[in-house]
Amino acid sequence: ETGVTQSPTHLIKTRGQQVTLRCSSQSGHNTVSWYQQALGQGPQFIFQYYREEENGRGNFPPRFSGLQFPNYSSELNVNALELDDSALYLCASSRGLDWNSYEQYFGPGTRLTVT
Amino acid sequence: DQQVKQNSPSLSVQEGRISILNCDYTNSMFDYFLWYKKYPAEGPTFLISISSIKDKNEDGRFTVFLNKSAKHLSLHIVPSQPGDSAVYFCAANTADNAGNMLTFGGGTRLMVKP
Repeated sequence: ETGVTQSPTHLIKTRGQQVTLRCSSQSGHNTVSWYQQALGQGPQFIFQYYREEENGRGNFPPRFSGLQFPNYSSELNVNALELDDSALYLCASSRGLDWNSYEQYFGPGTRLTVT
Repeated sequence: DQQVKQNSPSLSVQEGRISILNCDYTNSMFDYFLWYKKYPAEGPTFLISISSIKDKNEDGRFTVFLNKSAKHLSLHIVPSQPGDSAVYFCAANTADNAGNMLTFGGGTRLMVKP
């Protein structure tokens, strides 16, 4: 069973630029969630995609957007990058929205640095 | 407003002894709680969970206790092993949250000394 993979591993961007991060969900999983983990803090929920539709969103501005594809892989796009966007971005997949599917499986993350 | 808090940023324990990691929450709507472990350069790994209808759940060396009236949960690791050294995150969710939108605490770094 293939786990959750993310690309790239590391990325350096300049303030004002745009970035796209990618995630391949675990086999059999149709739900993908994205989290931002700033240094020294816990992951913070950005949004979730279920069967290609956004299913919920955390407290992040519209310049954070996403997509989920028919194979359930996903992209996170961030426009107009700010210095505070520097963080580890984690993708997590799960089987669905059922009560018993709360265990999410995380990828290793993409470390984004904005200069 | 931090709805899930882990007040101890770090904990050091001798190998073989018990490790107790604590977590407090403020949202009384939370009804499912999870613990994740994170090694450097890896994503968080699911460890153990507990539903609000229970007050204890055990899995091998790991036990999670939930005190709903105090809005407090704890993770016990017995006996602690050097391989348990990692950052531990407590997370919570609500049944009406349409799936898996977890709210995480800030984490506790556990160091188990040989």
